[in-house]
Amino acid sequence: ETGVTQSPTHLIKTRGQQVTLRCSSQSGHNTVSWYQQALGQGPQFIFQYYREEENGRGNFPPRFSGLQFPNYSSELNVNALELDDSALYLCASSLEGSYSGANVLTFGAGSRLTVL
Amino acid sequence: AQTVTQSQPEMSVQEAETVTLSCTYDTSENNYYLFWYKQPPSRQMILVIRQEAYKQQNATENRFSVNFQKAAKSFSLKISDSQLGDTAMYFCASLYDKIIFGKGTRLHILP
Repeated sequence: ETGVTQSPTHLIKTRGQQVTLRCSSQSGHNTVSWYQQALGQGPQFIFQYYREEENGRGNFPPRFSGLQFPNYSSELNVNALELDDSALYLCASSLEGSYSGANVLTFGAGSRLTVL
Repeated sequence: AQTVTQSQPEMSVQEAETVTLSCTYDTSENNYYLFWYKQPPSRQMILVIRQEAYKQQNATENRFSVNFQKAAKSFSLKISDSQLGDTAMYFCASLYDKIIFGKGTRLHILP
């Protein structure tokens, strides 16, 4: 049973550029969620996908968008990058999501994005 | 709106001692879930323990236990017989319609 893998592990972009981060869910999981963790802060929920549809979103602007694919892997896209987007982006997968606390989140090790 | 507050930015204890990490939260909901997650330097968040708000019994997982005070909206984590591998950031989190994390407590276990 594989865990959650994220790529790339580190990347550097400049203001105004676009970035795509990728996440492979743990085998058997059908729900994926994304989090932004700024330095010295706790993770902040960006959005969640369940069976390829977004079913929850935090307080992030529309330039943060995502996709979930039939194999339950996922992408986070951020357009028009700003300096404050510099953070660790975490992906987590779970089984039969929709905010059920009974489902344990399995996290990846994150993608660290630096915006210059 | 849900909020989670961890008032201890950093703590240090000697190996084998017991340590308690504090967490308070605020929610207007009745059925919710609470969690403690550990984030070691490898950055991967690991679930330590979880508590369903409708259960009065405090959750335990080996050396980890919680003191859940629903009326006070308090959810502290006790680590017994602390080990060097417990050194990490610890995040308290609440879940109703979305998960909210606190800012974390950096825990150092000293040899």
